Amino acid sequence: EAGVTQSPTHLIKTRGQQATLRCSPISGHTSVYWYQQALGLGLQFLLWYDEGEERNRGNFPPRFSGRQFPNYSSELNVNALELEDSALYLCASSWLDRGRVGANVLTFGAGSRLTVL
Amino acid sequence: QKEVEQDPGPLSVPEGAIVSLNCTYSNSAFQYFMWYRQYSRKGPELLMYTYSSGNKEDGRFTAQVDKSSKYISLFIRDSQPSDSATYLCAMSEASGSARQLTFGSGTQLTVLP
Repeated sequence: EAGVTQSPTHLIKTRGQQATLRCSPISGHTSVYWYQQALGLGLQFLLWYDEGEERNRGNFPPRFSGRQFPNYSSELNVNALELEDSALYLCASSWLDRGRVGANVLTFGAGSRLTVL
Repeated sequence: QKEVEQDPGPLSVPEGAIVSLNCTYSNSAFQYFMWYRQYSRKGPELLMYTYSSGNKEDGRFTAQVDKSSKYISLFIRDSQPSDSATYLCAMSEASGSARQLTFGSGTQLTVLP
């Protein structure tokens, strides 16, 4: 079974440019999460998409946005890049049956490393 | 105050040592507690998870939850150099959309041969 795949692996941009990162979840998973992991910091929650809708958003400015497609894949867009946006961006997927109680186990991809010069 | 606090380390131990990694939290509604391991330049992978209070053992790893103290631990017995990684605790409430995970900042562990 294929895991969570992310592309590109590495991306180098300059300040003010836009970056687009992509994520394909595990087959059958309908929820996609985006996290930012800057050097020396933990996972900072960015966005959560489920069934094509944005369910929750972390404490990030509006220039961080995304969407989820009908096939449950997702993309993260970062506009007007700043130097501090340099980080590893992790995508995770899960199957979240909102009608049930249970552990929400996330499976992560390997990440996309964004460098802003 | 952060919702989940985790000592960032770094923690360095000799091979064969018992390692104790810990997190504290403030949200009493958290019911699921997880430990993820992240190797350098990789995404985190789930090690194990527990529900509510108690212990859970999986090979050399034991997860412990004390909800009365809002304190969770991961013990690694007979640590190996291959255990060198960053360990992240994560937790969530039990139902519905509140099952979104909240992560600790991670503890970097090095096991020396």
